[in-house]
Amino acid sequence: RKEVEQDPGPFNVPEGATVAFNCTYSNSASQSFFWYRQDCRKEPKLLMSVYSSGNEDGRFTAQLNRASQYISLLIRDSKLSDSATYLCVVNMNSGNTPLVFGKGTRLSVIA
Amino acid sequence: DVKVTQSSRYLVKRTGEKVFLECVQDMDHENMFWYRQDPGLGLRLIYFSYDVKMKEKGDIPEGYSVSREKKERFSLILESASTNQTSMYLCASSLLRTSGTRETQYFGPGTRLLVL
Repeated sequence: RKEVEQDPGPFNVPEGATVAFNCTYSNSASQSFFWYRQDCRKEPKLLMSVYSSGNEDGRFTAQLNRASQYISLLIRDSKLSDSATYLCVVNMNSGNTPLVFGKGTRLSVIA
Repeated sequence: DVKVTQSSRYLVKRTGEKVFLECVQDMDHENMFWYRQDPGLGLRLIYFSYDVKMKEKGDIPEGYSVSREKKERFSLILESASTNQTSMYLCASSLLRTSGTRETQYFGPGTRLLVL
């Protein structure tokens, strides 16, 4: 089983739509969770951390389900500028070990 | 603002050449990483380093080596470049993770390497 799995997409949605991505992780002892965004031909950048209680940043909501070992990202009122690849990222243990990146889910928001 | 810079955005080399990719960060981060990214394969960790002169193999270290002589600089070396090393190479840095910290990993802009 892969450590961090995501649906690669692409998700093609119209402007204004709500879209959700899920990501599953294999290690139940995983400590912290993130969503990164990567624009075409650019480097990944942190979008938001994912907290146990769930968290919201404007149109973006991230949630964690430890029992089922998945995290989700919800984007409301999609904008053309949201088109990007969204990477699910997990810290698999408490030590100073590298983050584990999913392969990403590609989103295209269409006018 | 954290800044991670990479020596080249685009690089073309010939098979068998020795290639140096340089990465510099200005935030006094302990951790530095080298990844390659290929379509359909995502980010794959080549090497990382927790401190000066320390290095750890990642998932795909074969054909690569690294050097960390100074805290701010982490170099990736392709001893004898091959065509299957054509890729996007990304450097990243982060603070040393201690209990309770939620580190962010910052990436450089990437180097697109083409090996002919």
